[in-house]
Amino acid sequence: EAQVTQNPRYLITVTGKKLTVTCSQNMNHEYMSWYRQDPGLGLRQIYYSMNVEVTDKGDVPEGYKVSRKEKRNFPLILESPSPNQTSLYFCASSDMEENNEQFFGPGTRLTVL
Amino acid sequence: GQNIDQPTEMTATEGAIVQINCTYQTSGFNGLFWYQQHAGEAPTFLSYNVLDGLEEKGRFSSFLSRSKGYSYLLLKELQMKDSASYLCAAPTDSWGKFQFGAGTQVVVTP
Repeated sequence: EAQVTQNPRYLITVTGKKLTVTCSQNMNHEYMSWYRQDPGLGLRQIYYSMNVEVTDKGDVPEGYKVSRKEKRNFPLILESPSPNQTSLYFCASSDMEENNEQFFGPGTRLTVL
Repeated sequence: GQNIDQPTEMTATEGAIVQINCTYQTSGFNGLFWYQQHAGEAPTFLSYNVLDGLEEKGRFSSFLSRSKGYSYLLLKELQMKDSASYLCAAPTDSWGKFQFGAGTQVVVTP
């Protein structure tokens, strides 16, 4: 089954404790992206990657890091999480062809205390 | 840059038609997307318009006017399962960088 997976789905952590949210897709998509979703603000893009070893900042990259060492994986790293990073995070991928549809993962709900 | 505006909420009855408007401002244009998001779930793709005009896909249609910076999503024969948030989105100054509207919550009543 074609899908985007994220882990963990839920995480409660404390300020300053480094964490990684994994994202993996099995569709051989070149494009991957991370978003955060907050009430009233909609989806905001954090980072995106057009291909392996190619990453770019979205609208809200501060406090986040990403890497794209292989095509299928695009982990999101919070080196020193803060309470304002409490949010719902979505990973997405696309082949950027035809209708350019993005396929979204199920989401990771992160709470930083 | 890009600013995307859409109404916060719309209510309609089952069987009716609802039109969700989206306006955008952009220094470059590479198409406009609509996604549906049910509460607690991930967004799912509905449509992508890159040329002016109306594209119909079953009960859902999407319209684009590039000269006016305007799009709408038309939901016909509303069903209870159409109750969801509808997100308008567009690439910004470079392909791959996306901006989303805050979403329009559609409430379908019996």
